Amino acid sequence: EVQLVESGGGLVQPGGSLRLSCAASGFIFSSYNLSWVRQAPGKGLEWISYISGTSTTIYYADSLKGRFTISRDNAKNSLYLHMTSLRDEDTAVYYCARTPSVVTPGEFDHWGQGTLVTVSS
Amino acid sequence: DIQMTQSPSSLSASVGDRVTITCQASHDINNYLNWYQQKPNKAPQLLIYDTSNLETGVPSRFSGSGSGTDFTFTISNLQPEDIATYYCQQYENLPFTFGPGTTVEIK
Repeated sequence: EVQLVESGGGLVQPGGSLRLSCAASGFIFSSYNLSWVRQAPGKGLEWISYISGTSTTIYYADSLKGRFTISRDNAKNSLYLHMTSLRDEDTAVYYCARTPSVVTPGEFDHWGQGTLVTVSS
Repeated sequence: DIQMTQSPSSLSASVGDRVTITCQASHDINNYLNWYQQKPNKAPQLLIYDTSNLETGVPSRFSGSGSGTDFTFTISNLQPEDIATYYCQQYENLPFTFGPGTTVEIK
């Protein structure tokens, strides 16, 4: 069974940093591309970053303006999102999501349960 | 960026009804259009990929159609467990973008 489990969320002050993790199981981790998608409270879904299986291809939403860094460790079956210079508007549930095929980078067939990041003083 | 719009933003229908949601893209997205269901306090779930393909395990009452910039999502026989918000999403261009969602309620 495919499982994605996010962790690392919490309360952080504006300007602070946080690293989210997503632990994967039930599939050959290195063979799949992954994304982070976030959802502000009561709002819709926003894709924020993508990484290929070998980390050779990485994309970000322009709105992040270089503040976030996606990475993965295939030996640990883990995906990460390092977030810096956090702002109030970064408050959201952050989901990791798997892409089923290299030819469908924006299709998300499995999602984690999400981890809540709250940016507030 | 490709903008996605959905209508209606919410709807209320009776069990057994046929429900239709429309999604429009600001540019031709070559059928790279997915539909997700999100139940309250849960992660989204992929229902339809590439406009009209039913994801494995998804009930056949869900369907999708369309092309170019105009797409439709249909629930043919609304069930109580279909109460959720439904999102369309394009991946023709970066950034991948979602529609604002349509909330489906039972009358």
